[in-house]
Amino acid sequence: AQSVAQPEDQVNVAEGNPLTVKCTYSVSGNPYLFWYVQYPNRGLQFLLKYITGDNLVKGSYGFEAEFNKSQTSFHLKKPSALVSDSALYFCAVRDTNQGGSYIPTFGRGTSLIVHP
Amino acid sequence: GAVVSQHPSRVICKSGTSVKIECRSLDFQATTMFWYRQFPKQSLMLMATSNEGSKATYEQGVEKDKFLINHASLTLSTLTVTSAHPEDSSFYICSVWGGSPTDTQYFGPGTRLTVL
Repeated sequence: AQSVAQPEDQVNVAEGNPLTVKCTYSVSGNPYLFWYVQYPNRGLQFLLKYITGDNLVKGSYGFEAEFNKSQTSFHLKKPSALVSDSALYFCAVRDTNQGGSYIPTFGRGTSLIVHP
Repeated sequence: GAVVSQHPSRVICKSGTSVKIECRSLDFQATTMFWYRQFPKQSLMLMATSNEGSKATYEQGVEKDKFLINHASLTLSTLTVTSAHPEDSSFYICSVWGGSPTDTQYFGPGTRLTVL
């Protein structure tokens, strides 16, 4: 079975400071990991994904995430936050050992608030 | 990435009526489409998975006779909320997927349903 946890409901950061949104996962096989962002009253937008290879993945809008197999984590980071980064962020996982289903599991979301 | 549209973007209806929500994949052959429901400040709840030309697979607890899903082509899926009640008021989001486990999901902008 696969699962994903976003331990923080909300993250507050000052504009210009680095931000981290946490995500941990559990799979029986290998993980495919995704980050999405949702702005108010909008659908989700893809930010980045880890499939294989380099543990540091770079994505849209200056975001990056680091895959850490030993800690089963895939935290989202950005060196310098912008007020416009304020949104709801979702982590998702697909387990390669799902018997062909491949339906992803989403975390509950983390609200990022960047203060001017 | 794929462009996904939903229509309508918001709808208000009276209790007891039926509402149809369309999800179109404008530039992507969507083998699989997902329908999600999202409550305020909460995560996505997967309602059903539909594959083109076959019956949808509903998640546990989702009434298939109430939430009718049709995936007649690779570019169109519809969700019909039958005999809507105020508790069906929610934000409904569709998503398309190419079918490979490494593929990204692409989301529509969502439909806000309000049942009076």
